[in-house]
Amino acid sequence: DTAVSQTPKYLVTQMGNDKSIKCEQNLGHDTMYWYKQDSKKFLKIMFSYNNKELIINETVPNRFSPKSPDKAHLNLHINSLELGDSAVYFCASSGENAYGYTFGSGTRLTVV
Amino acid sequence: EDQVTQSPEALRLQEGESSSLNCSYTVSGLRGLFWYRQDPGKGPEFLFTLYSAGEEKEKERLKATLTKKESFLHITAPKPEDSATYLCAVQALGSSYKLIFGSGTRLLVRP
Repeated sequence: DTAVSQTPKYLVTQMGNDKSIKCEQNLGHDTMYWYKQDSKKFLKIMFSYNNKELIINETVPNRFSPKSPDKAHLNLHINSLELGDSAVYFCASSGENAYGYTFGSGTRLTVV
Repeated sequence: EDQVTQSPEALRLQEGESSSLNCSYTVSGLRGLFWYRQDPGKGPEFLFTLYSAGEEKEKERLKATLTKKESFLHITAPKPEDSATYLCAVQALGSSYKLIFGSGTRLLVRP
């Protein structure tokens, strides 16, 4: 059973479109995250939710909107996609005191 | 500002040739230092968490150590399957559990 699963794995879309990435974890963790990995492989946090409550919102364009319907799911919606949004987006989750910080396999977003 | 710097950027080793990867960090207060392995096209895979200076952890051919300013990932007698990018990250006190990553060290172990 995959612990942190993301869909889709690949996403190719045109500039200006709106797209969503979904994430689910079956580890029973309370906290979930979105990270962005750019072309230089640098991982940077975007958002974090704890029990459906937003606790981290880094300096991210407001075209990016996370949503957590329950503590096992965290989705990322992106409006008006731009070329610079092309990257790999990783979902992660962790338990109490950040125990067991686990990443999904990533969604490679390409904006053309 | 909290920061993580990893060196070298890339490392090529012969199978069996031991070496170390460095992770230097600046953080207001350290909650934990994490090491991950990342294979191409995959997500980071957890290796270790270190919490205090002097702590060491081992897993197979890997050993991680921590001081107040840096961490080392020692690889003993590496095998080709150890080839990957190794990522270091710190978690600061009061940071709501976010990880601040370094840019990684790409390790290639040749047979």
